[in-house]
Amino acid sequence: DAGITQSPRHKVTETGTPVTLRCHQTENHRYMYWYRQDPGHGLRLIHYSYGVKDTDKGEVSDGYSVSRSKTEDFLLTLESATSSQTSVYFCAIISSTMNTEAFFGQGTRLTVV
Amino acid sequence: DAKTTQPTSMDCAEGRAANLPCNHSTISGNEYVYWYRQIHSQGPQYIIHGLKNNETNEMASLIITEDRKSSTLILPHATLRDTAVYYCIVRVVENQGGKLIFGQGTELSVKP
Repeated sequence: DAGITQSPRHKVTETGTPVTLRCHQTENHRYMYWYRQDPGHGLRLIHYSYGVKDTDKGEVSDGYSVSRSKTEDFLLTLESATSSQTSVYFCAIISSTMNTEAFFGQGTRLTVV
Repeated sequence: DAKTTQPTSMDCAEGRAANLPCNHSTISGNEYVYWYRQIHSQGPQYIIHGLKNNETNEMASLIITEDRKSSTLILPHATLRDTAVYYCIVRVVENQGGKLIFGQGTELSVKP
C-alpha cells in the first residue's frame, strides 16, 4: 500500500458544512492525487500535487480545495459540502520516477445529507 | 491529455485468456500506457505499463501496436478473482510530474 493512509474512512456530514479529508504517506513520495468515484463515472481527478505547496486542478476541481504544507500530508477540503459531493474519495501517490506506478489508498466514503 | 476508450464490459471463461483492448489514438511519443484494475470498492491496483515494446510480468502481458494507437492487456489464465474493472490510462507528463486521468474502464466478469 506504499504507506498511504486516508482518514476518516467514513463520514456523514450535513449540507453546507466544511469537510476535510486527509491523505497521509510515510515514504516521502513527491506526487499525490485526490480522486472521486461515483457510479457511472469511474475515477475522476480532483486535484493533484507535485510537491510541498505545489498543487494543480484536475478534471472536477470546482467546490474543492487542497493544501500540501508537508510532504507527507495532502488535504482535500470541501468548503461547503453539497449532496452532489457524496462520493468515495481516493488518494494516490506516485514516486518521483516518471514511469513508476501509482498506489492508492483504501478510500473515504463521504455522505452529505 | 490523451484519452483512452475501452469496451464497457467483457466476459471470460475461467482458465481462458482474457484479452482487454484499449484505444489511445492520440497518444504522444513520450507517454506510457498503464493498466490498473479495481476490485469491488478497493483502491485501484497497478498491473503493468509500457512505452512501445511488449511487456510481461507475473500478472499479465501488455501488447502495444507498432503505431502505439492501441494496446491489449492479456490475463493468460483468468480466475474468478480477476473479476474487476480494468482501466487503461495514458500517463501525461507535466511539471516533471503528471496527471493520471482514468476513463470508464472495462468491467471484466470471469465466469466458471
